[in-house]
Amino acid sequence: DQQVKQNSPSLSVQEGRISILNCDYTNSMFDYFLWYKKYPAEGPTFLISISSIKDKNEDGRFTVFLNKSAKHLSLHIVPSQPGDSAVYFCAASAGGGADGLTFGKGTHLIIQP
Amino acid sequence: DGGITQSPKYLFRKEGQNVTLSCEQNLNHDAMYWYRQDPGQGLRLIYYSQIVNDFQKGDIAEGYSVSREKKESFPLTVTSAQKNPTAFYLCASAKGPGDTQYFGPGTRLTVL
Repeated sequence: DQQVKQNSPSLSVQEGRISILNCDYTNSMFDYFLWYKKYPAEGPTFLISISSIKDKNEDGRFTVFLNKSAKHLSLHIVPSQPGDSAVYFCAASAGGGADGLTFGKGTHLIIQP
Repeated sequence: DGGITQSPKYLFRKEGQNVTLSCEQNLNHDAMYWYRQDPGQGLRLIYYSQIVNDFQKGDIAEGYSVSREKKESFPLTVTSAQKNPTAFYLCASAKGPGDTQYFGPGTRLTVL
């Protein structure tokens, strides 16, 4: 049973526009959420995180929104750039995250010129 | 230059052989983790260690073993008991349990 779901395997966005990647979770014990970016044959790179006491966190072009009642989070990238083309993973942890992360299956973001 | 290193990048082994994947970090992180990624799948947790000489099973520990004798090192052994060992293996470390995890470059293991 998948506890973290990324229902869009891929997403195509025009350069300069906003990219919105979505993530749903089922475990109400999750209290810390992260987004990672991954290129093929490389390790994931940490992008941004949010704890359950917040509903928004911003870092440059990246903003993560958390809707606890809907068990939904999203990553907004504005404006989208060619270098943003990668697979994006949503991850979650419970109880402070000491026991490792639970990942979604990823969304392949393609930025078109 | 601080970071997490995994070696080798690519590894080939015959079926039935044990193989050990290396993970080293010089970030002075207490916590270390092993994940595996299969095509079209997210990362799944194999083992983790919150402190030296201690480690815990993750979601898919069967067929794997680890050790944590030094803070800097967290090697993973893929044993012959692992039914589907071919995968991309990723090591991560964090300053402490619950802190943001940072990943190494990964090792692609292919069992022939």
